[in-house]
Amino acid sequence: NAGVTQTPKFRVLKTGQSMTLLCAQDMNHEYMYWYRQDPGMGLRLIHYSVGEGTTAKGEVPDGYNVSRLKKQNFLLGLESAAPSQTSVYFCASSYSEDNQPQHFGDGTRLSIL
Amino acid sequence: RKEVEQDPGPFNVPEGATVAFNCTYSNSASQSFFWYRQDCRKEPKLLMSVYSSGNEDGRFTAQLNRASQYISLLIRDSKLSDSATYLCVVNAVNFYNQGGKLIFGQGTELSVKP
Repeated sequence: NAGVTQTPKFRVLKTGQSMTLLCAQDMNHEYMYWYRQDPGMGLRLIHYSVGEGTTAKGEVPDGYNVSRLKKQNFLLGLESAAPSQTSVYFCASSYSEDNQPQHFGDGTRLSIL
Repeated sequence: RKEVEQDPGPFNVPEGATVAFNCTYSNSASQSFFWYRQDCRKEPKLLMSVYSSGNEDGRFTAQLNRASQYISLLIRDSKLSDSATYLCVVNAVNFYNQGGKLIFGQGTELSVKP
């Protein structure tokens, strides 16, 4: 009963390096989301997807790219990491019907030096 | 005005106390309302959905007032394990398909002391 799984759990990068965060869900959810959470800022939506092969920008998309090649996976990429991207990243998923809550993974803690 | 606003907190209460959190939302067309709980450095977890008629789950009661665009969460008989940040959450609404997007409040921190 995995739910939403994020990998890796922790990562330290140097400025300019690239990396991909993986989110996998086993609940057959249509919708998937990537958030970042910073102290005093609350959860902010980076990108989201309403189905396989689709992506859309959220509130803070700059510096990130995403892909949804398979329904169960949603990848978040940082092409050239910057210290401002140091954050905790959460992935979430939900059913496509109205009034559905989102279910979260346990987060990826990313530090950019 | 923020789309979802919550009591700033923190709330420091003794065990056994009753505590209430309030939340207001700006878009009268919102249809879905939730309370999430987030423990320190952990992921947000759904505590309960909020229905128009109000709903109760054990020691937790959620109320919705659409006319005032106001949501509340009442916790009775507080336990040490209730210490967490409570997030008020509302669905995003505009003319286009929102793809199930939710708007999260900044959260209210609760600390229950022995």
